[in-house]
Order: sequence, then C-alpha cells, then structure tokens
Amino acid sequence: AQSVSQHNHHVILSEAASLELGCNYSYGGTVNLFWYVQYPGQHLQLLLKYFSGDPLVKGIKGFEAEFIKSKFSFNLRKPSVQWSDTAEYFCAVNARNDYKLSFGAGTTVTVRA
Amino acid sequence: AAGVIQSPRHLIKEKRETATLKCYPIPRHDTVYWYQQGPGQDPQFLISFYEKMQSDKGSIPDRFSAQQFSDYHSELNMSSLELGDSALYFCASRVGGGGGTDTQYFGPGTRLTVL
Repeated sequence: AQSVSQHNHHVILSEAASLELGCNYSYGGTVNLFWYVQYPGQHLQLLLKYFSGDPLVKGIKGFEAEFIKSKFSFNLRKPSVQWSDTAEYFCAVNARNDYKLSFGAGTTVTVRA
Repeated sequence: AAGVIQSPRHLIKEKRETATLKCYPIPRHDTVYWYQQGPGQDPQFLISFYEKMQSDKGSIPDRFSAQQFSDYHSELNMSSLELGDSALYFCASRVGGGGGTDTQYFGPGTRLTVL
C-alpha cells in the first residue's frame, strides 16, 4: 500500500510571499498524484494532478507542482500567495489502476493580510 | 456543472443509534468512493463501488455497510454508532471502467456528530 507524508503541519506567511509545501510518497509502482485544497468549512477541491508526461504541472489559482520521481516527491508551489489561499492542503496518491486515494496528514496554510 | 451531492449535510445522533448517509454522484459517473475524515485528520478510504458492485474496501468497521443502487447513488449505513464515529464523511465519484479517468470529484461531505 502507498503512504503519503507531508512535511509541514502548519505554515504561516504573509500575502505576496512564496509558498512551497512538501509531499513525499512511498510506493514502488506507478502512481497518480494529486493536490487537493479544503477551504474552511468546505469540501475537498482538486488543485492539480499528475498522471504522466511533463513533471511540472500547473493547476488552478496559480498553483503548480513538480513531480520528481527519483525523490518520490510532488511539492506544491505558488509564487505569491493571497489571503484567500488560507486553507488546508492535502497531497494524495493512488496507485495506477487502484483508484482509492491515500492522503497525507494535510498542511494548514494561514496567510496574513 | 453538476457536482456530487451528499445528504444530509449535518446529522446528530446518539450512541448506539443508526445513521444513513446518501451520495449522488456526478451524472454519468458510475464509481463512488466513501472517505471518513476525523477531526484534524486526513481523509481515510472506507469503501468503493463500481457499477453497483463493491470494488474495494478500506478501514470500514463491520458496523458499517454500504451499497450502490441502479441510479448509481450510494448509501452508507452505520449502526451501533460510537462517539468515535463523529467525523466528516465524504463521497467522491469518477467515471470508471476502461475509458474512465483517475480523478475523483468530492462532495461537500456529511458532518456526523455522535453524542
């Protein structure tokens, strides 16, 4: 079974600062990778995903993530955050052809105006 | 665009009672997943269905059962509720089968509180 590790539990930063959230997974086979965002009181929304091809994927709201296969990592980045990015961010993985998702513990991001 | 619908959105039950949560997938999505997210925790996979058959099973207690109906909606039945069952229960759907996609779309969740 696959597992997911997110490095930071809580990140606090100011508007316009850059954001990088770490995500590592453990699984020996081919995986699909996702970042989901959960705004306060809301459901999980897909930010971006990686299945194959260009390891640098761009998602909604200016987020991007880079898949580094050799490091089993899929870090999320945003060059300049806004107050509205305050949310919890989950990295998730599924093994190819095994569609259930394994989530990381989540990172709470607080952006100060 | 239509999204995944879950009902009820909030549910309060006493210990040892039963609860039924419902999930209506996005139209033409034939695969449904249930996840449980405890307070301050990441979502944990419970069970999934494809074409009305159970396709996978995770850490779902024996007190819970689920099924998918002919219209592809799914129900999660929970009996002998315990305090520890208090959580947010998410349903997600996707298009399954050979031409399916790997992306799951989540519903708003049902917040279950067991008193």
